[in-house]
Amino acid sequence: EVQLVESGGGLVQPGGSLRLSCAASGFTFSTYWMHWVRQTPEKGLVWVSRINSDGTTTTYADFVKGRSTISRDNAKNTLYLQMNGLRVEDTAVYYCARGGSGSQSAWGQGILVTVSS
Amino acid sequence: QSALTQPPSASGSPGQSVTISCTGTSSDVGTYNFVSWYQQHPGKAPKLIIFEVNKRPSGVPDRFSGSKSGSTASLTVSGLQAEDEADYYCSSYATSDNYVFGTGTQVTVV
Repeated sequence: EVQLVESGGGLVQPGGSLRLSCAASGFTFSTYWMHWVRQTPEKGLVWVSRINSDGTTTTYADFVKGRSTISRDNAKNTLYLQMNGLRVEDTAVYYCARGGSGSQSAWGQGILVTVSS
Repeated sequence: QSALTQPPSASGSPGQSVTISCTGTSSDVGTYNFVSWYQQHPGKAPKLIIFEVNKRPSGVPDRFSGSKSGSTASLTVSGLQAEDEADYYCSSYATSDNYVFGTGTQVTVV
């Protein structure tokens, strides 16, 4: 069974940093692209970033470019999202998702990130 | 990248069909056949139900079907069932190696 379990969320002050992790199991992690997607009630689902299977290519949505870094450790079957310079508008539930055929084929349960003073 | 446009809501009676539109541009839906659809029940993670415009992952009922014409994609749910009541989001691969989601549609089974 495919499982993706996010961790590392919580409350952080504006300007602060947070590193999200996503532990993968039930599939060959090293062969899949991986994504981060976030969700708020106001904007719905919004794609954040993706990384290719060996970690050599990354892309970001404009609103996180320069502030966030996606990475992965294939030996540990883990995906990361380092977020710096956090803003109130970054408050959201963050999902990690497995890629596949131009889609996000499996999703974690999500982790809440709250940016507030 | 602007969100793809979906109607906020749609509804149908059990057994009926409902179709949800997803309008993009030539930078996303109009160019790429990487259009996906996701079902999300309250408090749950999204679930992939259609990929590459009209393909269903294993285990997804054939009541769910997808299509595309120009820059507009569509999801049709036939033979509506109570458990189909959920939010539905479309998504497309886009230029500059980005992805864009739709605004979401709440489907109600009345």
